Amino acid sequence: AQKITQTQPGMFVQEKEAVTLDCTYDTSDQSYGLFWYKQPSSGEMIFLIYQGSYDEQNATEGRYSLNFQKARKSANLVISASQLGDSAMYFCAMFRTYKYIFGTGTRLKVLA
Amino acid sequence: DAGITQSPRYKITETGRQVTLMCHQTWSHSYMFWYRQDLGHGLRLIYYSAAADITDKGEVPDGYVVSRSKTENFPLTLESATRSQTSVYFCASTYQGTEAFFGQGTRLTVV
Repeated sequence: AQKITQTQPGMFVQEKEAVTLDCTYDTSDQSYGLFWYKQPSSGEMIFLIYQGSYDEQNATEGRYSLNFQKARKSANLVISASQLGDSAMYFCAMFRTYKYIFGTGTRLKVLA
Repeated sequence: DAGITQSPRYKITETGRQVTLMCHQTWSHSYMFWYRQDLGHGLRLIYYSAAADITDKGEVPDGYVVSRSKTENFPLTLESATRSQTSVYFCASTYQGTEAFFGQGTRLTVV
């Protein structure tokens, strides 16, 4: 069965520093997509970044990068130069065979 | 307006009543999903649909029913609401498994 695991319920980071949010996944499929979403306190879900299972290079989108280690089945999100507005809930997700599943999330707090 | 919309945004219902949450998207995305969000559990998949008239169970389908007679609509029905179904419900759609687009969410309280 496919599964997403986020082992960090909460994280703190100092403003302007980098932070890594962990995500591991479990699937026996060769073709899948990995995603990160941000959910601020207002509740909406915001797409951040995507990595395809066949992509050899790590995805980057501005201050977000996805550290994809296929053999270890990990897809960690790196946020560089953290800002106060980055304080939110972050979800790792996977799409495979019609299903789009999410982890339990990591709550990130950026400290001034 | 283009996008994905859920209705109602807030709903209070009594135990045992049937309630339907609506979801409508304007992009003709093939895939649609229903999730519930509870503290400590993240987003859990209730049902998903790969196309009109094709639906399947997710992780937590018990007590819920879906239908998809038209591509753009994916209603979720709680057949006999229970207090354990108090939650925030999100509908989402995606085109071929790329970025998912979410509705605003429905906050359902069962009393």
